Amino acid sequence: GAGVSQTPSNKVTEKGKYVELRCDPISGHTALYWYRQSLGQGPEFLIYFQGTGAADDSGLPNDRFFAVRPEGSVSTLKIQRTERGDSAVYLCASSLGLAGGVQETQYFGPGTRLLVL
Amino acid sequence: QQQVKQSPQSLIVQKGGIPIINCAYENTAFDYFPWYQQFPGKGPALLIAIRPDVSEKKEGRFTISFNKSAKQFSLHIMDSQPGDSATYFCAASRGRRGGSEKLVFGKGTKLTVNP
Repeated sequence: GAGVSQTPSNKVTEKGKYVELRCDPISGHTALYWYRQSLGQGPEFLIYFQGTGAADDSGLPNDRFFAVRPEGSVSTLKIQRTERGDSAVYLCASSLGLAGGVQETQYFGPGTRLLVL
Repeated sequence: QQQVKQSPQSLIVQKGGIPIINCAYENTAFDYFPWYQQFPGKGPALLIAIRPDVSEKKEGRFTISFNKSAKQFSLHIMDSQPGDSATYFCAASRGRRGGSEKLVFGKGTKLTVNP
């Protein structure tokens, strides 16, 4: 079946602009995660959704970053007043989200490469 | 504060060699330790994962060794091939029992396997 998809694959914007990044998780996955990967670094957690609600948003760097998942499927990461330091690859991952004590595999999308000029 | 420290930063081996990548963690609440493989322009893909109740896990040519007392774990790639050339990330999580499932990643190791 289809994996996690992210659009756009690349986004170039100017400092101060607003951007939206979209994630389509694997069908049936109720857990969705956003990570940010800077050049030469490992992914860093931003936010985790279980269904429609943000269960953990402790990784969002500041209030310019916001994410939604209104119907419990597609998610959008929104960045206001972009800064050059926001340039990175934004990765989305999803997992089954079943209740219980078992850590589930997170499946990653290819990412959106954001460049802020 | 880097919760998962990974070394080396880069590694070059000959085909057939056994590259070893090491990771150390600080948070004793972590109970799930996956390794991800990432090719250029792609997202990370799960390679193998281990829980602290076992000291070793093998899947094909990939082996994780885990030392709970030292809070260290490592990835060994047996009979490495040029197709294994990629960046490898270790990660850790508190799993489903301790709260959110967010993964904490190391900084990555760029592996090159020469023919």
